[in-house]
Amino acid sequence: EAGVTQFPSHSVIEKGQTVTLRCDPISGHDNLYWYRRVMGKEIKFLLHFVKESKQDESGMPNNRFLAERTGGTYSTLKVQPAELEDSGVYFCASSRLRGEIMNTEAFFGQGTRLTVV
Amino acid sequence: AQTVTQSQPEMSVQEAETVTLSCTYDTSENNYYLFWYKQPPSRQMILVIRQEAYKQQNATENRFSVNFQKAAKSFSLKISDSQLGDTAMYFCAFMRSYSNYQLIWGAGTKLIIKP
Repeated sequence: EAGVTQFPSHSVIEKGQTVTLRCDPISGHDNLYWYRRVMGKEIKFLLHFVKESKQDESGMPNNRFLAERTGGTYSTLKVQPAELEDSGVYFCASSRLRGEIMNTEAFFGQGTRLTVV
Repeated sequence: AQTVTQSQPEMSVQEAETVTLSCTYDTSENNYYLFWYKQPPSRQMILVIRQEAYKQQNATENRFSVNFQKAAKSFSLKISDSQLGDTAMYFCAFMRSYSNYQLIWGAGTKLIIKP
């Protein structure tokens, strides 16, 4: 089966511009997660979708970030307007909805490297 | 709040050697999950091994094994007979038992396997 796919792989934008990152989860995976790794720091959880609903968005840094998952398939993460501190790698992961954690694996995409200049 | 610490930013060993990556964490939870992920250069994050805190037995996956010391809150990863393909960033992660992959991550260890 196809893995988790993220687009673009790399984006360079100017401060103040808007960028939209996309994540296509594995087909049939209702759980979708966004994480990001700011340079030199730990990976941080951003939010979690169950199908089209936001289950947990406690990690979203501020209201410049907007995540959507219309129809419960792919998800987008929009940053508007982008700031320098938004630079980093944004990861997406997906997993099946049901099952014990030890039997349910989250699969990750390759990440989108965002550079704000 | 939970935290995960990886004290080794970078490690380098010769091929076929054994290497141990350290990870400590802090939590007041009694049951939780711990993970080791690897991210090879320019590739996606891959699950290496996982452990449920409820279980005393250390998890093992082929050449990868963990030393889980719950009282010490330590979760080290041992890679035996290291191979060139093991070169990657390794991340230790923590997850509360009722949290669905809301992972808390360490800063990562860059492991280089030299030929």
